[in-house]
Amino acid sequence: GQNIDQPTEMTATEGAIVQINCTYQTSGFNGLFWYQQHAGEAPTFLSYNVLDGLEEKGRFSSFLSRSKGYSYLLLKELQMKDSASYLCAVMDSNYQLIWGAGTKLIIKP
Amino acid sequence: IAGITQAPTSQILAAGRRMTLRCTQDMRHNAMYWYRQDLGLGLRLIHYSNTAGTTGKGEVPDGYSVSRANTDDFPLTLASAVPSQTSVYFCASSDSTDTGELFFGEGSRLTVL
Repeated sequence: GQNIDQPTEMTATEGAIVQINCTYQTSGFNGLFWYQQHAGEAPTFLSYNVLDGLEEKGRFSSFLSRSKGYSYLLLKELQMKDSASYLCAVMDSNYQLIWGAGTKLIIKP
Repeated sequence: IAGITQAPTSQILAAGRRMTLRCTQDMRHNAMYWYRQDLGLGLRLIHYSNTAGTTGKGEVPDGYSVSRANTDDFPLTLASAVPSQTSVYFCASSDSTDTGELFFGEGSRLTVL
């Protein structure tokens, strides 16, 4: 079966750095996506990785290793507004998105 | 403002009743999707449409139906609601079927009693 694993919850301090991991087992691979979802709101697109390596976008970076079935989202200089759930999703060989359950990130002052 | 509009935002429904969740987008996206989101689970695809006039079944289609008469609208119907359909429903769109960059509506919270 297809599976996306990510931690249920993480806590970090304002101003610090946090890394949210995602491991996957899917039927084929056509890209890995990270979305941010604030409580009670819709998910919004953060990043896309299809090749191995690090993609940087401001305070957020996303890394992919296809051979290991592994990705992480790195958030730097954490702000209180970064408190949200972060969803990892993989596009399989049928171009269907398989979603993880999300990681709830709690930022403490 | 361009985007996706869902209605209603929230609804309480008696079991056995019929309910249609509306979804309209003004971005002229070809692909549209309906997901449900339940605590502790990832988003699960109910139905999708790659282009106007076509629809397909997702991971959890039972008890739901959709139509795609035009590019903009993609309503989701529960023919006879059951309590297990209590969930938050998200409509989403993308400009092509092979991109994972989805644009989501604000969600419809449905409670079936």
